[in-house]
Amino acid sequence: QVQLVESGGGLVKPGGSLRLSCALSGFTCNDCYMGWIRQTPGGGLEWLSYIGDRRLYTNYAASVKGRFTTSKDSAKNSLFLQMNSLRADDTAVYYCVTGPQIRDAAYWGQGTLVTVSS
Amino acid sequence: DVVMTQSPLSLPVTLGQPASISCRSSQGLVYSDGNTYLNWVHQRPGQSPRRLIYKVSNRDSGVPDRISGSGSGTDFTLKISRVEAEDVGVYYCMQATHWPWTFGQGTKVEIK
Repeated sequence: QVQLVESGGGLVKPGGSLRLSCALSGFTCNDCYMGWIRQTPGGGLEWLSYIGDRRLYTNYAASVKGRFTTSKDSAKNSLFLQMNSLRADDTAVYYCVTGPQIRDAAYWGQGTLVTVSS
Repeated sequence: DVVMTQSPLSLPVTLGQPASISCRSSQGLVYSDGNTYLNWVHQRPGQSPRRLIYKVSNRDSGVPDRISGSGSGTDFTLKISRVEAEDVGVYYCMQATHWPWTFGQGTKVEIK
């Protein structure tokens, strides 16, 4: 059974930083992509980024480009999201996503809540 | 960015009756590899989203055949032939052809 378990969320002040992690099990992610999606308190979903495997190609949404960095440790089947210069509108539940083809968004984690507030 | 517009946004349905959700994209969704990356995900209350349909009409394992996806170009539809209690929640369409990949606003399905 495929499992994605996110961790690292919490309360942070505006301008602060946070690092999210995602551990993947039950699925062999050879040469596969992984990504991050967030869901705002109002329910809207937003793709933030994805990262490839061998060449570690990355792509970011404009709203997080230059502030967030996605990385992965393929040997440990883990995905990370380094979030800097956090703002109130970054408050959301953050999901990691993967699958045989990232565009199909097959597998989702249970999410981790990030709250940016003073 | 590609805008995904769903309708209706709220869908009260009677158990056993059919339901249909429309999703329209502001651009065509055929990718250079010939595939159309249009997915449907379902989020039950208190749970994370779960994919139901990928590439327009491919059902995920465990998804009942009373749930189907169809469409092409810029118009797509999710249909439930007979609504059951487990179908409540919010349904989102999602395109992954043009970056940034984008979602519809969501359609909340509830039982009358």
